[in-house]
Amino acid sequence: GAGVSQTPSNKVTEKGKYVELRCDPISGHTALYWYRQSLGQGPEFLIYFQGTGAADDSGLPNDRFFAVRPEGSVSTLKIQRTERGDSAVYLCASSLSGGAANTGELFFGEGSRLTVL
Amino acid sequence: SQQGEEDPQALSIQEGENATMNCSYKTSINNLQWYRQNSGRGLVHLILIRSNEREKHSGRLRVTLDTSKKSSSLLITASRAADTASYFCATARSYNTDKLIFGTGTRLQVFP
Repeated sequence: GAGVSQTPSNKVTEKGKYVELRCDPISGHTALYWYRQSLGQGPEFLIYFQGTGAADDSGLPNDRFFAVRPEGSVSTLKIQRTERGDSAVYLCASSLSGGAANTGELFFGEGSRLTVL
Repeated sequence: SQQGEEDPQALSIQEGENATMNCSYKTSINNLQWYRQNSGRGLVHLILIRSNEREKHSGRLRVTLDTSKKSSSLLITASRAADTASYFCATARSYNTDKLIFGTGTRLQVFP
């Protein structure tokens, strides 16, 4: 498709389980971002990639969260030992722009809604 | 952490009226962007203003930027019911990072 695709759109899991969320960015976009959004709040930055490498992972809340982008396209956000507080919508975005301090327009997916029971 | 704060948090107006939303931020920026989010959907980019620009227009949107006050405003003129959404400002910092930090958002309700 032409836009950013995220799967699954909804995920319900039990506390302590492992979860993977997938993002397929727009073809040719070098930058890929993950955000987390709780109800009524703005998107909270988690991590962004330039190509295959994590350029800034300062937003990952703890070591239960990990993200990869092995071929510079699709990215997977992995959450281990999920907790109820991890419940949120996880948004992925991609961007054409690369290069420091030249952030351009981000194109967002529809998000993956994670519910941890 | 949130970089920007929008105010008001919520705004209700009638169709045809203008809507003004404000954004304040804390650090030096390279550019500031505004996004719109319909309920339960992803964010859509509206407009980008660079740190050396003071005003920008796009259709019914007008954005201003005051770097001395670290603030920006988004004006939607002649609002429509379809403009009902949440609006977020986002800042790209001026040092070596492409990280984009979002504010807390303004929830706009336009009544027909």
